[in-house]
Amino acid sequence: DAGVIQSPRHEVTEMGQEVTLRCKPISGHNSLFWYRQTMMRGLELLIYFNNNVPIDDSGMPEDRFSAKMPNASFSTLKIQPSEPRDSAVYFCASSSLGNSPLHFGNGTRLTVT
Amino acid sequence: AQTVTQSQPEMSVQEAETVTLSCTYDTSENNYYLFWYKQPPSRQMILVIRQEAYKQQNATENRFSVNFQKAAKSFSLKISDSQLGDTAMYFCAFMSAGGGADGLTFGKGTHLIIQP
Repeated sequence: DAGVIQSPRHEVTEMGQEVTLRCKPISGHNSLFWYRQTMMRGLELLIYFNNNVPIDDSGMPEDRFSAKMPNASFSTLKIQPSEPRDSAVYFCASSSLGNSPLHFGNGTRLTVT
Repeated sequence: AQTVTQSQPEMSVQEAETVTLSCTYDTSENNYYLFWYKQPPSRQMILVIRQEAYKQQNATENRFSVNFQKAAKSFSLKISDSQLGDTAMYFCAFMSAGGGADGLTFGKGTHLIIQP
């Protein structure tokens, strides 16, 4: 299996622009997580899906952030409009069961100028 | 809510030495899972080792082992015969047995440097 695939690997955008991050989980995994990593706050869980359904989005920082999972093999995290403080590495992870280890993608490094 | 604390922001040891990274956590749950993840400069998150709270035996994976002290809520990682490739950030993580929206709760990490 190719593992969790995230795109793009790097994204540089200007403040106010819309940003869409993409994730393809491991085939057969039914749980998907979006995390944000910054130096100040470490790794924060933003949102979690189970069987394509969002379970808890309380970690999403603001209404500017939204996530979708239209099917079992694809998820997006969108920021609109983006701000410089959104600059971070965004990770997608998937697991086969609620208690199984999470398998992480390589992350997307977002820079908002 | 659970919290995970890694008290060592950075550690440095010589190649071939043994090093222990500390981790403590706070939870009121009895059943849960603990993990150590490694993040090298490539930023990939790699699972190193996993421990189920209901198991008394400490988990071991080759040169990596843990010292799990449930009563003390302590979960340290020991790396034996350290290698240059072990240089990375190491994150301790907690997961409730029920999984769910909590997902994984991470500590702030320890930056481990293996010196040649």
